[in-house]
Amino acid sequence: AQKVTQAQTEISVVEKEDVTLDCVYETRDTTYYLFWYKQPPSGELVFLIRRNSFDEQNEISGRYSWNFQKSTSSFNFTITASQVVDSAVYFCALRDNAGNMLTFGGGTRLMVKP
Amino acid sequence: KAGVTQTPRYLIKTRGQQVTLSCSPISGHRSVSWYQQTPGQGLQFLFEYFSETQRNKGNFPGRFSGRQFSNSRSEMNVSTLELGDSALYLCASRPNLDRPDNSPLHFGNGTRLTVT
Repeated sequence: AQKVTQAQTEISVVEKEDVTLDCVYETRDTTYYLFWYKQPPSGELVFLIRRNSFDEQNEISGRYSWNFQKSTSSFNFTITASQVVDSAVYFCALRDNAGNMLTFGGGTRLMVKP
Repeated sequence: KAGVTQTPRYLIKTRGQQVTLSCSPISGHRSVSWYQQTPGQGLQFLFEYFSETQRNKGNFPGRFSGRQFSNSRSEMNVSTLELGDSALYLCASRPNLDRPDNSPLHFGNGTRLTVT
């Protein structure tokens, strides 16, 4: 069975600080797909980034970067120079190779204070 | 391109009633999934439809059902509502692919159902 754990339930930072959201996953599959979503108060889940299990290259996209480490089953997400608009709940999700469903972590509530 | 549209946004029902939620996917997307979000259980997969066929079902009782129409629009129905069914119900779509891959789900704003 798949499992996604986000140990940080709530993080509070001051604007312009960097913040890293942790995600640890469990799966028996060798091919799988990882995602990060953002959920603002409006409720919609907004897709942010994705990573295939067979591609461990870490990337940066604007203020977002991610660190995928297969050896430790972690897929951490970093926001550089955080802004108040980044305040939301962030979810890490896993899709295995057997089906199309996403398994979500419990979410991390990020509060960015001015 | 319009996003995923869910109606209604808010719904209040009483125990024992039934409810139907509607979802219009992004144009061209043929796969529609439904998720339930509650404070206690988080985000949980309900079911997924592709080309009018249910392809996957989560661990929910038979009171939860759905269907997909030929235009890819989907409806979800919950019968004999219970207090615990109060949740945010999210619909998501993805392109017309029939195999797992890294294409992300695109979610709607959800329908917030309150059962009293």
